[in-house]
Amino acid sequence: EAGVTQFPSHSVIEKGQTVTLRCDPISGHDNLYWYRRVMGKEIKFLLHFVKESKQDESGMPNNRFLAERTGGTYSTLKVQPAELEDSGVYFCASSQGTTRTDTQYFGPGTRLTVL
Amino acid sequence: AQSVTQLDSHVSVSEGTPVLLRCNYSSSYSPSLFWYVQHPNKGLQLLLKYTSAATLVKGINGFEAEFKKSETSFHLTKPSAHMSDAAEYFCVVSATDYKLSFGAGTTVTVRA
Repeated sequence: EAGVTQFPSHSVIEKGQTVTLRCDPISGHDNLYWYRRVMGKEIKFLLHFVKESKQDESGMPNNRFLAERTGGTYSTLKVQPAELEDSGVYFCASSQGTTRTDTQYFGPGTRLTVL
Repeated sequence: AQSVTQLDSHVSVSEGTPVLLRCNYSSSYSPSLFWYVQHPNKGLQLLLKYTSAATLVKGINGFEAEFKKSETSFHLTKPSAHMSDAAEYFCVVSATDYKLSFGAGTTVTVRA
């Protein structure tokens, strides 16, 4: 069974540019999550999709971030325009259920560097 | 509210010696607790999880953790470290729903 995959693994862009990160969850997992780890900080929750619907965006830092999950399969996270403080590692995870006991399976992350 | 504190940012052990990674949590509800590991250039991999069943939880690769409610702790141990255990380890709590709260991480170095 394929795990969660993310693309690209690394991205280096200049301040003001746009970047789109992609996540492919485990097949059959309706729940998809984005998390972020900024340098020196803990991994933080960004948002949660159930199928194609955003269930919880409470962790999104501001309106420069736009997440989509068209068709309920893969998801994209766009940052536009990127700022220096957006640098970090962006993780995607997926799960079958949403209870506190359900395991979230994580991808390898995308390391974003904004210069 | 929920939070996690990993008491050591870095642990260095010799190969073949025990490993102890300390984690304390805070939660208003009965939590689920997880340990994840991240090897270089790899994703976060689940080592083990506690979900209110047995308090001593066994995970993959010889790791285990004990849930101690009175001490609000969930320390991770392994009797004998292997070189392949060098990685970053995260203690994670989930109290009421899907939102995971991560500790700051503990980097483990294994000396030959």
